[in-house]
Amino acid sequence: GAVVSQHPSRVICKSGTSVKIECRSLDFQATTMFWYRQFPKKSLMLMATSNEGSKATYEQGVEKDKFLINHASLTLSTLTVTSAHPEDSSFYICSGERYNEQFFGPGTRLTVL
Amino acid sequence: QQQVKQSPQSLIVQKGGISIINCAYENTAFDYFPWYQQFPGKGPALLIAIRPDVSEKKEGRFTISFNKSAKQFSLHIMDSQPGDSATYFCAASRSGGNEKLTFGTGTRLTIIP
Repeated sequence: GAVVSQHPSRVICKSGTSVKIECRSLDFQATTMFWYRQFPKKSLMLMATSNEGSKATYEQGVEKDKFLINHASLTLSTLTVTSAHPEDSSFYICSGERYNEQFFGPGTRLTVL
Repeated sequence: QQQVKQSPQSLIVQKGGISIINCAYENTAFDYFPWYQQFPGKGPALLIAIRPDVSEKKEGRFTISFNKSAKQFSLHIMDSQPGDSATYFCAASRSGGNEKLTFGTGTRLTIIP
């Protein structure tokens, strides 16, 4: 149990376009989901915490207007990277919380050309 | 106050040997200490976790040792196998819902034949 999926697994887009990444908890309900960003050979950097039905809480330095997070249901959270630029290229990972433990999705590799 | 220090940065162990990764934390409010395993291009997977009411937890070949007074915890991988080659992250958080994880910097483990 405690499976989290992400879609898409890879996305390549042109600079200036917006990209939406979906995070789903497949076999549990996640009141809280977390979004992370990971650079090559680095640790995970928390971007925001999202709670179902309420606004996300963003970490210091994360642009909330650029990284839009919606947590519309107990099994789905989305991250939209608006007006993406090459510096937004990264590995984005979500996690869902179940019984105070975090279970991570497989990640989404975003490449902005 | 929020840091989790992890060492070593990289580790090479012979097949069949014991792999040991160490972490130290500063925030005494932390009471949940998970370890995650991450393969290249994948999301982290929860390996094993401990809470401070016990000093050791074992699951198969994986053991967490916890020293509350020293604010340190470690992961031991017994009989290390080539399939264990991955990056390992320790983390810490407070219990309760909606609590964010503070991650260590990661250890790249390589098991050689």
